[in-house]
Amino acid sequence: AQRVTQPEKLLSVFKGAPVELKCNYSYSGSPELFWYVQYSRQRLQLLLRHISRESIKGFTADLNKGETSFHLKKPFAQEEDSAMYYCALGVRGRRALTFGSGTRLQVQP
Amino acid sequence: GAGVSQTPSNKVTEKGKYVELRCDPISGHTALYWYRQSLGQGPEFLIYFQGTGAADDSGLPNDRFFAVRPEGSVSTLKIQRTERGDSAVYLCASSLSGGAETQYFGPGTRLLVL
Repeated sequence: AQRVTQPEKLLSVFKGAPVELKCNYSYSGSPELFWYVQYSRQRLQLLLRHISRESIKGFTADLNKGETSFHLKKPFAQEEDSAMYYCALGVRGRRALTFGSGTRLQVQP
Repeated sequence: GAGVSQTPSNKVTEKGKYVELRCDPISGHTALYWYRQSLGQGPEFLIYFQGTGAADDSGLPNDRFFAVRPEGSVSTLKIQRTERGDSAVYLCASSLSGGAETQYFGPGTRLLVL
């Protein structure tokens, strides 16, 4: 069965500091990886996906199949980045996503 | 256009009662998903519809849970004989065709079983 692990429940950084939210997955096939974000009092929304290889709001994530990781990074955190971040795994032939338990990012002024 | 909507936003019920949760997907989206999110956890998949049919119901925890989507648009998640452990936020999402594309989430229904 697929599994997504986000080892940190809370990550607190100061504004301007680098951020790395960790995500590891277990799946033997070719995964599809996503990062979803939930800002305070808003619904869950897609931040980025590994297929697109894009940078959204300064965030990037690289799929490392050797380490089975998809860590989310941003070089300089902003206060508006404070939110709950979920890593999610999709597998071919199955539309359901498997989510990690989430990491709360707090960016302090 | 409007996003995914869910009603009610909150539902309080007593143990043993029956509840229905409704999801209105984005217009034109053929794929619809239900997830459940317990406190401190990420969303957990329940069921996926492609059109009117349940293409994958492997996440439904037991036969007390059932979902329908009779006309390929609105979906209703039905829970019989509710238990306290059913208390959670129930999330609905939709996507254009059910391929590897973005799932758009609704605001959720917070269910509390007393």
